[in-house]
Amino acid sequence: SQTIHQWPATLVQPVGSPLSLECTVEGTSNPNLYWYRQAAGRGLQLLFYSVGIGQISSEVPQNLSASRPQDRQFILSSKKLLLSDSGFYLCAWSLGGAFEQYFGPGTRLTVT
Amino acid sequence: AQKVTQAQTEISVVEKEDVTLDCVYETRDTTYYLFWYKQPPSGELVFLIRRNSFDEQNEISGRYSWNFQKSTSSFNFTITASQVVDSAVYFCALSEGLNYGGSQGNLIFGKGTKLSVKP
Repeated sequence: SQTIHQWPATLVQPVGSPLSLECTVEGTSNPNLYWYRQAAGRGLQLLFYSVGIGQISSEVPQNLSASRPQDRQFILSSKKLLLSDSGFYLCAWSLGGAFEQYFGPGTRLTVT
Repeated sequence: AQKVTQAQTEISVVEKEDVTLDCVYETRDTTYYLFWYKQPPSGELVFLIRRNSFDEQNEISGRYSWNFQKSTSSFNFTITASQVVDSAVYFCALSEGLNYGGSQGNLIFGKGTKLSVKP
């Protein structure tokens, strides 16, 4: 069966510091991968998606970036965090556009 | 433009009551997919159901049932005989087909409905 891992689970970082969140999927090949952010108020916002190694599409302009160095690894990064980057970050995978997405446990990021 | 509206921000019921969560969507595509997710206090989103636009058959899974009506662009979710463990935020989501280029299954979420089931 497929599983999705995210780490760390929680993170407190000062403004201006770098960020690296990692997501890995097991049990499937060539999945679509997604990063979402959920800010206070519960709405989920798609940040990035990837359909293959090295292929990243950005949905919203921001100081975040994503990379997919391996088939089942998806990394969310920032060179300098802003207060507005605080939120709950969720990674997800799917078999393709017509299929449901399965979410990881999430990373709760607080920028101070 | 695509949009998902969950007009009910919060609902509170007493255990064993039935409750219906509303979802209205907008899409320009003729092929699309609708989803419901549950987010318990732990935070992880749990997939509940996927429905294709060409399949209007309602679905029942245990105490859960879903009513899909294309005529009113609605995909409502009913929990029968609610239980305390049903307390969570429930999200309705839309994924358009690929007719408009490269959406790759990106989900458009509603803002969610927080359901509280009291004992």
